Amino acid sequence: ETAVFQTPNYHVTQVGNEVSFNCKQTLGHDTMYWYKQDSKKLLKIMFSYNNKQLIVNETVPRRFSPQSSDKAHLNLRIKSVEPEDSAVYLCASSQGGANTLYFGAGTRLSVL
Amino acid sequence: GEKVEQHESTLSVREGDSAVINCTYTDTASSYFPWYKQEAGKSLHFVIDIRSNVDRKQSQRLIVLLDKKAKRFSLHITATQPEDSAIYFCAEMSNYNVLYFGSGTKLTVEP
Repeated sequence: ETAVFQTPNYHVTQVGNEVSFNCKQTLGHDTMYWYKQDSKKLLKIMFSYNNKQLIVNETVPRRFSPQSSDKAHLNLRIKSVEPEDSAVYLCASSQGGANTLYFGAGTRLSVL
Repeated sequence: GEKVEQHESTLSVREGDSAVINCTYTDTASSYFPWYKQEAGKSLHFVIDIRSNVDRKQSQRLIVLLDKKAKRFSLHITATQPEDSAIYFCAEMSNYNVLYFGSGTKLTVEP
């Protein structure tokens, strides 16, 4: 049963373009995350938000910016995409910290 | 360096045998160690976790062991079935309540 919804599923774009990904969770959780999964399946935390407040911002290039309107939504904007941004971006949510993360289906970005 | 290291990148077992995946971590303050499964073409979902106040936890065919002294934890899948085939990720929770994942182990259960 899907409770973390990501749009779009896929996005193909060219170098230098701007893209935005959306994430919404219906679980009533207070914490949301963005992870990047590369072609080798490596998972890297990008951002963590708790109740709309940025908690963690790992070493992520400035062209990435998260946006949270309320605790159920966490979007991701990439200002000027580069080839190395090609990956699957996974949104997740949890209630508090040390609890189960629920992942969305992911958005696959291809930068040509 | 990486916060959590996952030792087996691939693992192949015969159906019915046990599979063991090992991870080590560096932060002595880590207290939460979950495991996630990713089936082909799908996203991750939670399978089992262990907290630092215990050294063993079992859920049906899954057993997690934690050795705090060695900073090591492991996932044991007993009586493996073909549907257990997937990529398994260990993780640890460090500061700021964020999960850091291992590099994943691709488990293949052969009939």
